[in-house]
Amino acid sequence: DSGVTQTPKHLITATGQRVTLRCSPRSGDLSVYWYQQSLDQGLQFLIQYYNGEERAKGNILERFSAQQFPDLHSELNLSSLELGDSALYFCASSARTGDPRGGGNTIYFGEGSWLTVV
Amino acid sequence: AQTVTQSQPEMSVQEAETVTLSCTYDTSESDYYLFWYKQPPSRQMILVIRQEAYKQQNATENRFSVNFQKAAKSFSLKISDSQLGDAAMYFCASPPGNYGGSQGNLIFGKGTKLSVKP
Repeated sequence: DSGVTQTPKHLITATGQRVTLRCSPRSGDLSVYWYQQSLDQGLQFLIQYYNGEERAKGNILERFSAQQFPDLHSELNLSSLELGDSALYFCASSARTGDPRGGGNTIYFGEGSWLTVV
Repeated sequence: AQTVTQSQPEMSVQEAETVTLSCTYDTSESDYYLFWYKQPPSRQMILVIRQEAYKQQNATENRFSVNFQKAAKSFSLKISDSQLGDAAMYFCASPPGNYGGSQGNLIFGKGTKLSVKP
């Protein structure tokens, strides 16, 4: 058990709909990351938050947004869903933004949220 | 763009034998960590081992060890005494560059699927 909790584990929804994925990081971790894993795109970094602020952005679509709350949990909002958005969405956390000498960027993953768009 | 390359899409090893998975990366950072993650059929991402790039000594975790060649930007994973439970997808990961303490996300290779034959 990595200590990162994601809900829901599975979600089926229709095209055009909006869903919210939730993540609770490991106790004490300030950084939260969202990754998307699909069959054709591999593991893609979407976005990172550190202590409530957006810190890095990857290949995240404009239809997707995220936030990190004062209690450090994070939500990933996916809207106007398309069939191609079907994927496994991972949340991960680390202690800090990334200090190579401090080991703070070891990223621990949750079990993922399976999203199926039909 | 920073890339991580795993040149072996699939590998197979006999139980109790040794197998080496290859990885090359191209971060421009001088101090960084490198990681190997394992993804079994459950799809959870499990940290296997990490290497501190500013240390010369190769990391070892029980049956897992790395061969880190910094100048060549090569980071291979050796699994000794392979077990059936080692069957999984293995991902190599490195930071994207421009570390600067402001980012902690990782870039992942496309993975190597390891099969273990009894």
